[in-house]
Amino acid sequence: DAKTTQPPSMDCAEGRAANLPCNHSTISGNEYVYWYRQIHSQGPQYIIHGLKNNETNEMASLIITEDRKSSTLILPHATLRDTAVYYCIVRVGGGVAGANNLFFGTGTRLTVIP
Amino acid sequence: SQTIHQWPATLVQPVGSPLSLECTVEGTSNPNLYWYRQAAGRGLQLLFYSVGIGQISSEVPQNLSASRPQDRQFILSSKKLLLSDSGFYLCAWGWGHEQFFGPGTRLTVL
Repeated sequence: DAKTTQPPSMDCAEGRAANLPCNHSTISGNEYVYWYRQIHSQGPQYIIHGLKNNETNEMASLIITEDRKSSTLILPHATLRDTAVYYCIVRVGGGVAGANNLFFGTGTRLTVIP
Repeated sequence: SQTIHQWPATLVQPVGSPLSLECTVEGTSNPNLYWYRQAAGRGLQLLFYSVGIGQISSEVPQNLSASRPQDRQFILSSKKLLLSDSGFYLCAWGWGHEQFFGPGTRLTVL
């Protein structure tokens, strides 16, 4: 039961920033926004998560709007190895049993073009 | 560091045959464990999760079952496979904000 909406596909030139949008208009106050990606034939890989504030790590930045109804994942300098399906997921955070489940939609297929 | 193992990597089984996929985790204790399935061209579907030995929760009704006989072992089983059971099966462990996925088993039911 995915609570997010993402474009099915996007292209990005190598070396440029990739901006992947996600709508989550029904997000609850205690739900976090998570991003994972899945490179072909591999298991998903955690990228980043956030609640209200913008977040940055070594992989990406996450920008969450003030009303929390949408967010954008930014890969600052996309490389060919960033070609993957990117999933935006909302769920209650932390180690609460049962509420720790991730519900994946169909994601956005990002293709980085040389 | 933590490691998650799944086997086999690929499997071709006839309709009606049994199934047993195994997942083990190293380097952590009492992890939450998950089984997901991904049909061709689709997103991941959560099948089962477990918060401890012998504790299994099912997210979708189907002819699959799961067991957790040991703290770091998670098994997915079926008594009789269906064509619709074909897919990419992923085991994951998690705690807190992250889940860590294994390499997956690609199952083809013929």
